[in-house]
Amino acid sequence: AQSVTQPDIHITVSEGASLELRCNYSYGATPYLFWYVQSPGQGLQLLLKYFSGDTLVQGIKGFEAEFKRSQSSFNLRKPSVHWSDAAEYFCAVGAGSSASKIIFGSGTRLSIRP
Amino acid sequence: DAGITQSPRHKVTETGTPVTLRCHQTENHRYMYWYRQDPGHGLRLIHYSYGVKDTDKGEVSDGYSVSRSKTEDFLLTLESATSSQTSVYFCAISEGGTGELFFGEGSRLTVL
Repeated sequence: AQSVTQPDIHITVSEGASLELRCNYSYGATPYLFWYVQSPGQGLQLLLKYFSGDTLVQGIKGFEAEFKRSQSSFNLRKPSVHWSDAAEYFCAVGAGSSASKIIFGSGTRLSIRP
Repeated sequence: DAGITQSPRHKVTETGTPVTLRCHQTENHRYMYWYRQDPGHGLRLIHYSYGVKDTDKGEVSDGYSVSRSKTEDFLLTLESATSSQTSVYFCAISEGGTGELFFGEGSRLTVL
């Protein structure tokens, strides 16, 4: 069965600083990987996804993520965070037929220091 | 915004009573999901559906059942609610497993 681990429960970074959120997955085959964001009081929004091809994927809002098969990781990065990036971030993996069974990690809450 | 409606949005009930949450979509998407969100646990998959009458279990399916008799509706039933089922429940839809999940606004359930 697939699983996702987000080892950081809460991260605080200063505005303008770089960001990296960690995600490790467990799945026997090539995974389909996603990052979602949930802003306070808002629904969940897809930031980016990886299915195949280039291991560095670009998403919305200036985010990118790199798939590293050897490390079973799919870390999310942003070169310079903005106060509006404060939110909860979820990594997810899709498995099964058509990757339809989508499992989420426990999330990382990001706070921004002014 | 994707056409997803969850009902009820808020419900307070007592232990042992049955509860049904409804998810209705107007997008004609094949896949529908029920997740629960709890602090420290993120989103956990309860059940999902890949077509009318086609459903499968997720990570935390015990105590929950689902039904999908029409493409647009996916019902989640708690046969006998327990306090551990107090949570926020999200419905999501997708055109396909490799596509984006679109989430409803959530249903907050409190079991006393």
